[in-house]
Amino acid sequence: QQQVKQSPQSLIVQKGGISIINCAYENTAFDYFPWYQQFPGKGPALLIAIRPDVSEKKEGRFTISFNKSAKQFSLHIMDSQPGDSATYFCAASTPGNTPLVFGKGTRLSVIA
Amino acid sequence: NAGVTQTPKFQVLKTGQSMTLQCAQDMNHEYMSWYRQDPGMGLRLIHYSVGAGITDQGEVPNGYNVSRSTTEDFPLRLLSAAPSQTSVYFCASSYMGTQYFGPGTRLTVL
Repeated sequence: QQQVKQSPQSLIVQKGGISIINCAYENTAFDYFPWYQQFPGKGPALLIAIRPDVSEKKEGRFTISFNKSAKQFSLHIMDSQPGDSATYFCAASTPGNTPLVFGKGTRLSVIA
Repeated sequence: NAGVTQTPKFQVLKTGQSMTLQCAQDMNHEYMSWYRQDPGMGLRLIHYSVGAGITDQGEVPNGYNVSRSTTEDFPLRLLSAAPSQTSVYFCASSYMGTQYFGPGTRLTVL
């Protein structure tokens, strides 16, 4: 019930292409869905987040698509660049001061 | 603002030794947490705290203790280190749902 399932585990994308990472959840009480980006040797950092009252949120080249009925959300990286190569984590939490539940991560490599 | 700081950056322990991983934040956040990161396992929550004097267990609390005497500090204690505790440990503080992670401590237990 508390899990967030993330796929794929790893992803290789050509420079300029679109990277897509998917997450699915079961707990319908989740109301906050962030994505974190982690570079090697660093801590994760918030990239973009969405709440279920909207179906899409865009910040620059990064877009979250949210499908409440399917209990799925995804991260799209447009015009992927080598500097986007990192590990990406989706997460979810319920209302209030509650812990984030993280997916297992996706290692993205953008090749020139 | 230094954000979330963690010490040490690296540590090697022998099985059975004890140690404390330090975590401090200067953002006055009430919520703090500890995660471990292992290959293919993502970020797993060890313990968390919603304020000074209040702590709770996460997904993988066994072998770890925490206390929260001040808003700023949230140390993680390994009572008797085991090789299974070899991992990268991240501390985070949170405000309005956004977690701010420290740079991590890489721990090896021999």
